[in-house]
Amino acid sequence: DAGVIQSPRHEVTEMGQEVTLRCKLISGHNSLFWYRQTMMRGLELLIYFNNNVPIDDSGMPEDRFSAKMPNASFSTLKIQPSEPRDSAVYFCASRQGPNQETQYFGPGTRLLVL
Amino acid sequence: AQSVAQPEDQVNVAEGNPLTVKCTYSVSGNPYLFWYVQYPNRGLQFLLKYITGDNLVKGSYGFEAEFNKSQTSFHLKKPSALVSDSALYFCAVRDDTGGFKTIFGAGTRLFVKA
Repeated sequence: DAGVIQSPRHEVTEMGQEVTLRCKLISGHNSLFWYRQTMMRGLELLIYFNNNVPIDDSGMPEDRFSAKMPNASFSTLKIQPSEPRDSAVYFCASRQGPNQETQYFGPGTRLLVL
Repeated sequence: AQSVAQPEDQVNVAEGNPLTVKCTYSVSGNPYLFWYVQYPNRGLQFLLKYITGDNLVKGSYGFEAEFNKSQTSFHLKKPSALVSDSALYFCAVRDDTGGFKTIFGAGTRLFVKA
């Protein structure tokens, strides 16, 4: 199995631009998490989906952030407009189901907003 | 509310010596406890977990962790450290009351010197 796939691996953009991060889940997994990692705040949970439905988005910083799961195997995290403080590494992780314990993380997308 | 604390930002150990990375937790119900490791420019990788049963849990790469309910701790240990163990280690907790959210600690950076 290829594991969780994220693209792009690196993104450099200018303030105000739209950024779209992509994540492909492990086949057979139906729970998805988006995290953000920074030196200042560590690993933060942004949003959690189960069976394509957003269950908790309380970690999404503000309305500039949105996430979708158009099908069972794919998710996007969009930032519009982007700001320098959004610079971070964004991870997605999948899990086999809500009652399974272990999350499997993707390699991350390193975002730099200038 | 769930929480997890990793009291040490950094642990330094000489190669061949035993290592311990500390973790304490707080949950409402019974804990599900995890250790993940993050190597540079990589996503988090699952090391081991405690759900129930034997308090000593063995995981990948020779690591083990001991669940201590009275001290609400789940310290990560390895009898003989390797330089290649140098990485960022995260403790995480989830409770068994049906919540989906896994809370991650701030991480402890382990340096193993040759």
